[in-house]
Amino acid sequence: NAGVTQTPKFQVLKTGQSMTLQCAQDMNHEYMSWYRQDPGMGLRLIHYSVGAGITDQGEVPNGYNVSRSTTEDFPLRLLSAAPSQTSVYFCASSYSWSGDYGYTFGSGTRLTVV
Amino acid sequence: AQTVTQSQPEMSVQEAETVTLSCTYDTSESDYYLFWYKQPPSRQMILVIRQEAYKQQNATENRFSVNFQKAAKSFSLKISDSQLGDAAMYFCAYRSRRNYGGSQGNLIFGKGTKLSVKP
Repeated sequence: NAGVTQTPKFQVLKTGQSMTLQCAQDMNHEYMSWYRQDPGMGLRLIHYSVGAGITDQGEVPNGYNVSRSTTEDFPLRLLSAAPSQTSVYFCASSYSWSGDYGYTFGSGTRLTVV
Repeated sequence: AQTVTQSQPEMSVQEAETVTLSCTYDTSESDYYLFWYKQPPSRQMILVIRQEAYKQQNATENRFSVNFQKAAKSFSLKISDSQLGDAAMYFCAYRSRRNYGGSQGNLIFGKGTKLSVKP
């Protein structure tokens, strides 16, 4: 099993550019989520999905868009990149949103917006 | 809303010694999970230990153990016989056990404690 795969691992964007961070899991996990990690801030939830076709906002959703057309994929779109979006992004999945199931994390994407 | 607080931004321990990382949380719920995650320089998030709030017994995983004080809303991590490979960021996290709808099922993280291990 590949687990949770994030691509790319590193990316540099210019202010105003758009891009999509990819996240794919092959574990048939119902729940998927995106976090951003900033120094001194821990991990903060951007968006999450409890199943195909269902998404919702987390703590810091502004400037990001998501969709979940399949169980396997949960891409994160930056509509117009800003320097404040410079961060490390993690995708995480779980078999179910509720109940006693652990999370599996991807290896992260380091994004720099200049 | 639930919050998780890690009051020690950085900690240091001598190799083979014991260190305790602190975590407090705020919640009105009675049924939840608490976690400690380790993040080495590789950036990978690694689950260290998990505690179910309905269990009074403290969780233990080899050299890692927790002191779970539910009434005090405290969840500290003790690392015994510290090794150089324990050097990492450590995050405390909270998750509701029940599906109330909304965002309660998501992981809520503290800001982290950076642990260094001296040889």
